[in-house]
Amino acid sequence: KQEVTQIPAALSVPEGENLVLNCSFTDSAIYNLQWFRQDPGKGLTSLLLIQSSQREQTSGRLNASLDKSSGRSTLYIAASQPGDSATYLCAVRGWRDDKIIFGKGTRLHILP
Amino acid sequence: EAEVAQSPRYKITEKSQAVAFWCDPISGHATLYWYRQILGQGPELLVQFQDESVVDDSQLPKDRFSAERLKGVDSTLKIQPAELGDSAMYLCASSFGGGTLQETQYFGPGTRLLVL
Repeated sequence: KQEVTQIPAALSVPEGENLVLNCSFTDSAIYNLQWFRQDPGKGLTSLLLIQSSQREQTSGRLNASLDKSSGRSTLYIAASQPGDSATYLCAVRGWRDDKIIFGKGTRLHILP
Repeated sequence: EAEVAQSPRYKITEKSQAVAFWCDPISGHATLYWYRQILGQGPELLVQFQDESVVDDSQLPKDRFSAERLKGVDSTLKIQPAELGDSAMYLCASSFGGGTLQETQYFGPGTRLLVL
C-alpha cells in the first residue's frame, strides 16, 4: 500500500531565503506526482505536476524534482515571500491501483 | 478562469441529522472526485466518478454516505445520519479525464462540516 510522507511537518524561515520541502513515497510505480498549496480553511491549488517520465518541473520561483527510483520529490522555493506561507501537500497517483494518495503536508511560515 | 464550485461553504449540524454537499466541476471535466480532509491530515479520496459512473468508492462508508452524479455534470454527497467523527473539510475536485492519467486535479473551496 502506497504511503506518502512529508518532512518536516512545519517550517519557519526568514523572508528571502531559499527552501526545500520534501516528499517521499514507498511505491515507485506511479503515474505522476503533484504538489499543491492549501491556505487555511481553503481548497487546494495545484502548483506543479510531474509525470513519471520527467525529472523536474518549474513554474516561476518553484521547482519540483522527482527521483522515482528512490521514491523522493522535492519542492524548491526560491526567494521566499510572506505570501508563500501556507501548507504544501504532495500527492502521488499509483498505476497499480490508480489511487491518488496525499501526504499530510508541510506547514510553511515565512517570517517578514 | 473556470473554477470548481461547492456549496455550502460551511455547515453545522447535529449528530443523526442528514447533510448534503453540492459540487459543480469545471465545464467539460469528465472526472470528479470527493475527498475528506481531517484537520492536520492530507485529503482522503471518498469517491471518484468518470462521467456518471462510479469508478472508485472503496473508501466511502456506504452505510451512511452516498454520492451521485446523475447527468455526469454536478454531484451531490450525502451523509445520513451524521456522526461526530464526520466533522471535516469535504473537498471536490475535477480533471479533464480525457483518457490520460497524466493530468492535473482542480479543487473547489471545500465545505467545512461541524457535527455537534
